[in-house]
Amino acid sequence: DGGITQSPKYLFRKEGQNVTLSCEQNLNHDAMYWYRQDPGQGLRLIYYSQIVNDFQKGDIAEGYSVSREKKESFPLTVTSAQKNPTAFYLCASRIGQAGNTIYFGEGSWLTVV
Amino acid sequence: AQSVTQLGSHVSVSEGALVLLRCNYSSSVPPYLFWYVQYPNQGLQLLLKYTSAATLVKGINGFEAEFKKSETSFHLTKPSAHMSDAAEYFCAVSESNYGQNFVFGPGTRLSVLP
Repeated sequence: DGGITQSPKYLFRKEGQNVTLSCEQNLNHDAMYWYRQDPGQGLRLIYYSQIVNDFQKGDIAEGYSVSREKKESFPLTVTSAQKNPTAFYLCASRIGQAGNTIYFGEGSWLTVV
Repeated sequence: AQSVTQLGSHVSVSEGALVLLRCNYSSSVPPYLFWYVQYPNQGLQLLLKYTSAATLVKGINGFEAEFKKSETSFHLTKPSAHMSDAAEYFCAVSESNYGQNFVFGPGTRLSVLP
């Protein structure tokens, strides 16, 4: 089935550690996105990528890093510089034209212990 | 710049009652408008979208939304609420000239009372 796969679903991190969240899509979409969602809050854009080997900072990029080496993959690294990383992280993708629907993965919960 | 507001962070309705979730947008160009639903611990799913073909848009699960340019609104309705409709609903806008980003509203949590 086509879709967006995020892994792991639940992740625990010790303070001071970097962790990487995986996002893979087989929809052949050009654009990919990472959002952060805090409990009871809306979505905030972390990074987005329109094409391979190119990505742009969103509204809350500090403490995060991404790469886009392949069209289908857009991993997010939460670095130790992110002071409050506990949140629900959503990966999304779409064909890179205005008006096209954005599709979401099932999300990953990151908890700092 | 585009933006979205959703009036009411939490809406409660009785089962069988009308559901009305409000969304207003601002956009300097004709927008594309979307409604998404999110169930607990899941990603967002598309309910419906407006792309200028028709002002009244029908979506999944009996939901529909009407685009009103004069009011810059795109309110979501359902004639009769079901318990399974309890979820978080997000309105989003994407401007026709800028395809690299969506702007989401803050969301409205819908509770359905028995």
